[in-house]
This record gives sequence, C-alpha cells and structure tokens, in this order.
Amino acid sequence: DAEITQSPRHKITETGRQVTLACHQTWNHNNMFWYRQDLGHGLRLIHYSYGVHDTNKGEVSDGYSVSRSNTEDLPLTLESAASSQTSVYFCASSEYSNQPQHFGDGTRLSIL
Amino acid sequence: GQQVMQIPQYQHVQEGEDFTTYCNSSTTLSNIQWYKQRPGGHPVFLIQLVKSGEVKKQKRLTFQFGEAKKNSSLHITATQTTDVGTYFCAGRRTGTASKLTFGTGTRLQVTL
Repeated sequence: DAEITQSPRHKITETGRQVTLACHQTWNHNNMFWYRQDLGHGLRLIHYSYGVHDTNKGEVSDGYSVSRSNTEDLPLTLESAASSQTSVYFCASSEYSNQPQHFGDGTRLSIL
Repeated sequence: GQQVMQIPQYQHVQEGEDFTTYCNSSTTLSNIQWYKQRPGGHPVFLIQLVKSGEVKKQKRLTFQFGEAKKNSSLHITATQTTDVGTYFCAGRRTGTASKLTFGTGTRLQVTL
C-alpha cells in the first residue's frame, strides 16, 4: 500500500543546530506540504511543493527551507534551530489541487 | 491573509449527546475539507464540500457548506467514545490552487 513516512518520529536538539526532518511518500503525488501544529493554532503551512524543483513559502516559512529533487521526498530543514520551533511537524501529500491530503504520522521536535 | 476560525475550541459531552463545530472563513472559499485527528495521531480526511449550501452525511456525521461559501459546520448525532479527537476544517480560497488554510480545530471529549 502507498504511504507517507516521516523520520525521525521524535527528536531533541539544541538551539543553533541545523535539523532536517525527512518526508517520503510512495503515492507518486506531485503536491507535498509541511505543516507545524501548535496548541491554539491548528495546522500552519510552512512550505509546499507542486512538483520536482518547485518550492513555495507558506504562512510561517521563516527559519525553514525545503528542496524537492524527486517526486517522493520533501525534506524540511531548520537552518539554525530556535526554541520557538519546538512543535509537532506533519508532512502531507495530495494527487491534485482539490484532492484530500494524506498526512504522515508526524515528528515531535523539541529544541532546548 | 486568510483566516479560518472554529468554535468551540473544546467541547466535552456525554456519550449519546449531539455535538456541533462551526467553521468561519474571512474569505470566500472554493471548497472546504474536514479532517479528524485522534489523540496522538495525524489528521485524516473525512469529506470535501464544494457547492454553496451543500449538505453531506456520513452515518452520524452531517456536514454543511454555507450559502455564501464562507462557513461550514459538522454535526455529530448521538456521539460515541470513538468520536473523540480534534476536528479541523480546511478551506481553499477561491482562485488559489492546492493551498489549504486549516482552522484552529475543535477538540471533542466524550465520556460515558
């Protein structure tokens, strides 16, 4: 069965370090998304991609970057981790613009 | 930017009682999706509404899209403990492709 996997599931790191969260989907979807989830804010879009070599900023993109070198993967990088980036991060994908998004299990990131 | 608010933020009901969550957008939407997230889990797609005034049912769940396409509601009849979780609406602004703006979510707790 097709799926979307995130790794690691949990990570603790220190402020100032670079962190990369992996997202891999086997749905062969063109659209991929990164969200962060914080209490009281729901899911907020960080970055998204409509296809290989395409990346776009979401509403909370400062301090984050993504790259899309193939269809399956959209890694999310925190260039210099800050405590404000402690959150649960979800990756999602969809086949077409108006189709449902399929979410990974999430990565819980703590920055001390 | 587009804002999508949900009320209430939290509701605690006894099993068998009804539950409703309301979703309001600051802008007109081309469509709206609803997702459910179980505690510790990831959002899972429930349904999509596209037409003005549309009503869809899934067993005990009834979804409505407002006539002006700026609001939506989810009603659960006779709640069960399996309904526990956070319900998110997610709207796509008219004229934008792919990007969903998620509501703040309503957390439902059901006790016996």
